[in-house]
Amino acid sequence: AQTVTQSQPEMSVQEAETVTLSCTYDTSENNYYLFWYKQPPSRQMILVIRQEAYKQQNATENRFSVNFQKAAKSFSLKISDSQLGDTAMYFCAFAPLQGGSEKLVFGKGTKLTVNP
Amino acid sequence: DAGVIQSPRHEVTEMGQEVTLRCKPISGHNSLFWYRQTMMRGLELLIYFNNNVPIDDSGMPEDRFSAKMPNASFSTLKIQPSEPRDSAVYFCASSLTGGWGGYTFGSGTRLTVV
Repeated sequence: AQTVTQSQPEMSVQEAETVTLSCTYDTSENNYYLFWYKQPPSRQMILVIRQEAYKQQNATENRFSVNFQKAAKSFSLKISDSQLGDTAMYFCAFAPLQGGSEKLVFGKGTKLTVNP
Repeated sequence: DAGVIQSPRHEVTEMGQEVTLRCKPISGHNSLFWYRQTMMRGLELLIYFNNNVPIDDSGMPEDRFSAKMPNASFSTLKIQPSEPRDSAVYFCASSLTGGWGGYTFGSGTRLTVV
């Protein structure tokens, strides 16, 4: 079974600094997608960034970037120039493409607090 | 686009009552997902539909839970009878098959069963 592990239940960072959230996953597949979702206190789940496994280049979206290490099955999220609005739960998710399934498997999340 | 619309946003009910949660996916999306979020278990997939057909309901906890998608613009998740352990946030999400742009989630329904 595919699993996603986020080993940091909580993290904190000072405003304007950089923070990295860790994620590892377990799969025997070669083709899949990986995502990071943000869930602020409003409860809305917001897609932050996605990575296709067959692309070696790490995805980047403004202040958010990933470090995708396929061999190590690692997919960390780096937030640069942290802002107070980045305070949220962050979920790593894995999408196996086996059999055409579209299921997303989520990690348990990391609670990030950005301090002023 | 108004996004994925869920109702109600909050629901408080007594144990044993029937609860119906509703979802309107994004127009044009043909996959719809129901997730449950709890502190203990995180986000769990309950069921997902593709072109209105249930594809995988292996996450539905027991027969008290049922889901329907009568057309492309509406889905329901019903719990009958409800129990206190069903208290959670229930999310609906939709996506375009094969697009892999990721899901678009609704705002969720917080269900409390007392």
